[in-house]
Amino acid sequence: DAGVIQSPRHEVTEMGQEVTLRCKPISGHDYLFWYRQTMMRGLELLIYFNNNVPIDDSGMPEDRFSAKMPNASFSTLKIQPSEPRDSAVYFCASWGTGVLSNTGELFFGEGSRLTVL
Amino acid sequence: GESVGLHLPTLSVQEGDNSIINCAYSNSASDYFIWYKQESGKGPQFIIDIRSNMDKRQGQRVTVLLNKTVKHLSLQIAATQPGDSAVYFCAENIDTGTASKLTFGTGTRLQVTL
Repeated sequence: DAGVIQSPRHEVTEMGQEVTLRCKPISGHDYLFWYRQTMMRGLELLIYFNNNVPIDDSGMPEDRFSAKMPNASFSTLKIQPSEPRDSAVYFCASWGTGVLSNTGELFFGEGSRLTVL
Repeated sequence: GESVGLHLPTLSVQEGDNSIINCAYSNSASDYFIWYKQESGKGPQFIIDIRSNMDKRQGQRVTVLLNKTVKHLSLQIAATQPGDSAVYFCAENIDTGTASKLTFGTGTRLQVTL
């Protein structure tokens, strides 16, 4: 299995621009998580989905952030408009309750490093 | 005011020695705990987990200890190797019945010296 795949790995954009981060979870996993990691706040859960349905989005910082999961193999995290304080590494992770029912092992992608100038 | 970044505690250990990384968790309702390792430029990687009905679990070269009385978790790494150098996170899971939420600690940096 290729693991969780995120794109882009690096993105540099200017303040005010729209940013879209993409994630392909591991096939068969029914949970998908978006995390943000910064030096200021560490690793924060933004939102997670179960069977493509958003379950908890209480970590989404504000209305500029939105996430979708149109099908089991794809999710996006969008920031519009972006601001310098959104600069961070954004991780996607997936988890399968069927295969991994005895463990909470989240499989993380390599992350998308976002820099907003 | 001026913002400051997280100051990651750092543990420096000589190669071959044992490492002990500690973590205090916040919620007494947490039922499941996990240790993750994050190498530079990569995503966190699962190491070992433990449920709240256990107080010890062993893996390959790693042992996790759970003390629910004081809400403390520790990760012991035996015969530490240079490849163990990374940031280690503990995470606690709270299952509300309708949702599970995995919350990560701030992390500890392990530096292995030769």
